[in-house]
Amino acid sequence: AQKVTQAQTEISVVEKEDVTLDCVYETRDTTYYLFWYKQPPSGELVFLIRRNSFDEQNEISGRYSWNFQKSTSSFNFTITASQVVDSAVYFCALRGIIQGAQKLVFGQGTRLTINP
Amino acid sequence: DTGVSQDPRHKITKRGQNVTFRCDPISEHNRLYWYRQTLGQGPEFLTYFQNEAQLEKSRLLSDRFSAERPKGSFSTLEIQRTEQGDSAMYLCASSFQTGVGEKLFFGSGTQLSVL
Repeated sequence: AQKVTQAQTEISVVEKEDVTLDCVYETRDTTYYLFWYKQPPSGELVFLIRRNSFDEQNEISGRYSWNFQKSTSSFNFTITASQVVDSAVYFCALRGIIQGAQKLVFGQGTRLTINP
Repeated sequence: DTGVSQDPRHKITKRGQNVTFRCDPISEHNRLYWYRQTLGQGPEFLTYFQNEAQLEKSRLLSDRFSAERPKGSFSTLEIQRTEQGDSAMYLCASSFQTGVGEKLFFGSGTQLSVL
């Protein structure tokens, strides 16, 4: 079975602080994809990043960066110099190439609040 | 607006009533997905279509639920004899099939409240 765990239910920081959202996953597939989505109050899930299991390079996009470590089955997300607009619920998700190949398996989400 | 569109945004109904939701995917997308999200949880897969064919259904989808995508374009999700446990956000997503790593585009969802 595939599983995604986001142990942090809620995080609250002051603007300009750095914050890391943790994601740990389980899968028996050797080929899989990992995703991060942002869900603002409007409800729409917004795609942030996708990584495949063979690409362990960390990625940086502006203030966002992702650390993929296959050895610990983790795919953590860091926001540098957080802003109030970053406040949202963030979901990590997994999609295996064999097991449940047609569906994303989501974690429970981390509600991030950035206070001014 | 070329994103995924869902209608209605909110639906309040009484237990036992039938409800139907509509999803209009991005026009060139051949895959369409339905997910359900309850408060404080991540979305859970319900079913998906490739063109007009419904190819997979979750065990979460009881006999009271039915989904259609008659012409491979828009889709409807109907819940018959609603129960209070059906209260949730119903999310639709679409994608253009390129493989397992394809990106899903989500709509804003339909929030269902069963009284």
